[in-house]
Amino acid sequence: EIVLTQSPATLSLSPGERATLSCRASQSVSSYLAWYQQKPGQAPRLLIYDASNRATGIPARFSGSGSGTDFTLTISSLEPEDFAVYYCQQRSNWPRTFGQGTKVDIK
Amino acid sequence: QVQLQESGPRLVKPSETLSLTCTVSGGSIRSYFWNWIRQPAGKALEWIGRVYTGGNTNYNPSLKSRVTMSVDTSKSQFSLELSSVTAADTAVYYCASGYYYEDWGQGTLVTVSS
Repeated sequence: EIVLTQSPATLSLSPGERATLSCRASQSVSSYLAWYQQKPGQAPRLLIYDASNRATGIPARFSGSGSGTDFTLTISSLEPEDFAVYYCQQRSNWPRTFGQGTKVDIK
Repeated sequence: QVQLQESGPRLVKPSETLSLTCTVSGGSIRSYFWNWIRQPAGKALEWIGRVYTGGNTNYNPSLKSRVTMSVDTSKSQFSLELSSVTAADTAVYYCASGYYYEDWGQGTLVTVSS
């Protein structure tokens, strides 16, 4: 099973600041990695797929990069609605796995 | 984009079988992958498995011995059965579509308790 390790666990930032979230895989997942945003009481929402492609309707301030084992989600300028938990997920191997999440909260 | 809605009992007794159904609307259920994912309170997401409308399935090995998934295209529904449940199976259960999970149901909290 591929383990995805996200860092940091919590990121405390102010609106307007840049957020950089990391996801490291225990073995290569090529570019088969996605990022999701989850707010309290809601289902996750797909942001990025195949490492760097924005899903439908996702604002341009969200971007993804990386391949192999190291991936980054960047939010260029945090909006109030961006404070949430973010998960990475791989579809390279079975079983599909998620990271443990990074919480972006208001400083 | 499709809409997904989970339904089923919210309370299941230990050792019994958890059964959930996901109804697909606003699009076709045919020729696609349909997934079940769960999330215990305050914890990360766990992929349970997926079913293709042709009937092929892939399950998480950690749950494989207890999981059955199926599709009923005539009703635009797909289903999850998880047998021999324990308190550790208490979670919010989501259904979701695709290779990546583009569309999600709202989730349903299933509690395992006597």
